[in-house]
Amino acid sequence: TQLLEQSPQFLSIQEGENLTVYCNSSSVFSSLQWYRQEPGEGPVLLVTVVTGGEVKKLKRLTFQFGDARKDSSLHITAAQPGDTGLYLCAGFGHSGQAGTALIFGKGTTLSVSS
Amino acid sequence: DTEVTQTPKHLVMGMTNKKSLKCEQHMGHRAMYWYKQKAKKPPELMFVYSYEKLSINESVPSRFSPECPNSSLLNLHLHALQPEDSALYLCASEPTPGSRGDEQFFGPGTRLTVL
Repeated sequence: TQLLEQSPQFLSIQEGENLTVYCNSSSVFSSLQWYRQEPGEGPVLLVTVVTGGEVKKLKRLTFQFGDARKDSSLHITAAQPGDTGLYLCAGFGHSGQAGTALIFGKGTTLSVSS
Repeated sequence: DTEVTQTPKHLVMGMTNKKSLKCEQHMGHRAMYWYKQKAKKPPELMFVYSYEKLSINESVPSRFSPECPNSSLLNLHLHALQPEDSALYLCASEPTPGSRGDEQFFGPGTRLTVL
């Protein structure tokens, strides 16, 4: 069974601080997605990483995919209150099948106060 | 049209009611999903439809009944639910099931409360 271990589970920081969320597995993933979700809303896709060692930047957010495609990280620089939300990493298994569902990490609840 | 829509946004129902949740996408995606999500937890998979055929049922109780009338529509019929079924129900779609680098796109969800 493929699992994604996401940490930390909760993070409460001040505006302007930096933070990193980790997503780790003992299994290889063909790709990993990062989502952000606000209360009562559906998850919004932030990025997909596919290639081992890949780094993607989305404004103040930096996403990395490990060389072995077993782990990923999300780094936020100078966090703002608008970054508050639930961050989810998710991935499809390496083999892939028609209709294979996403495997989710447990999520990181981020609270940024001003 | 580049989004997944869900109706209703909110639903309150009694344990004896019958209701349906609706999901729609017009992106030509060939896989559609139902998830259940409790507060501050990740989504839990319920059903997967791939090319309009039910391909995965995650041992969901029969009081939840999915239906995929066509490639753009996905319904979830609800009957005799329990209060513990109260949750955010999310629909998602995916362009090409099983394709490496594929992505799932979620709808805004239906907030269901069972009294």
